[in-house]
Amino acid sequence: GAGVSQSPSNKVTEKGKDVELRCDPISGHTALYWYRQSLGQGLEFLIYFQGNSAPDKSGLPSDRFSAERTGGSVSTLTIQRTQQEDSAVYLCASSPRRTGLSYEQYFGPGTRLTVT
Amino acid sequence: AQSVTQLDSQVPVFEEAPVELRCNYSSSVSVYLFWYVQYPNQGLQLLLKYLSGSTLVKGINGFEAEFNKSQTSFHLRKPSVHISDTAEYFCAVTFPGGYQKVTFGTGTKLQVIP
Repeated sequence: GAGVSQSPSNKVTEKGKDVELRCDPISGHTALYWYRQSLGQGLEFLIYFQGNSAPDKSGLPSDRFSAERTGGSVSTLTIQRTQQEDSAVYLCASSPRRTGLSYEQYFGPGTRLTVT
Repeated sequence: AQSVTQLDSQVPVFEEAPVELRCNYSSSVSVYLFWYVQYPNQGLQLLLKYLSGSTLVKGINGFEAEFNKSQTSFHLRKPSVHISDTAEYFCAVTFPGGYQKVTFGTGTKLQVIP
């Protein structure tokens, strides 16, 4: 079946512009996660969705970052007034997270964001 | 809060040689542990996981890992690596029950030398 997809695969934007990154999770997966991967930094957790609600937003680095999820499916991560330090690969993952299941996360290929 | 340490940022190894990628975690309670692999320009893919039971866990592509509670380690091993194993490997930890954040290590780049 189809895996997690993300678009665009690459995005180059000018400092100060807003960007939207999209994630399409695996059908039926209720949990959705956003991570940021910077060079040498590993994966930085940003936000977790269960259905359409976000019980854990603790990883969002500033109020310029926001995310929403609609219909328990597609999620959009928005970065306003982008800064050069926002340059990174943004990864989305989904999981059929229920108590007793495997806890495995399925990752998309990522969006590489470059802020010039 | 839990944390994961991958001390080796890069590990070069000759083809067909054995390899061990180290992972240590800090937690005073039970944990779930994972190893993910990331091939160039791709997302992460689960290699193996430890939830409970046998401390020796076998995963895909001939990898295995051993959970050692006393040493708080979950090292990844392969007896004979192949060129195709060249990738970045991430160790991750979470807690059982309900929603628990998954914490990832900083990754180890495995470079297999022909």
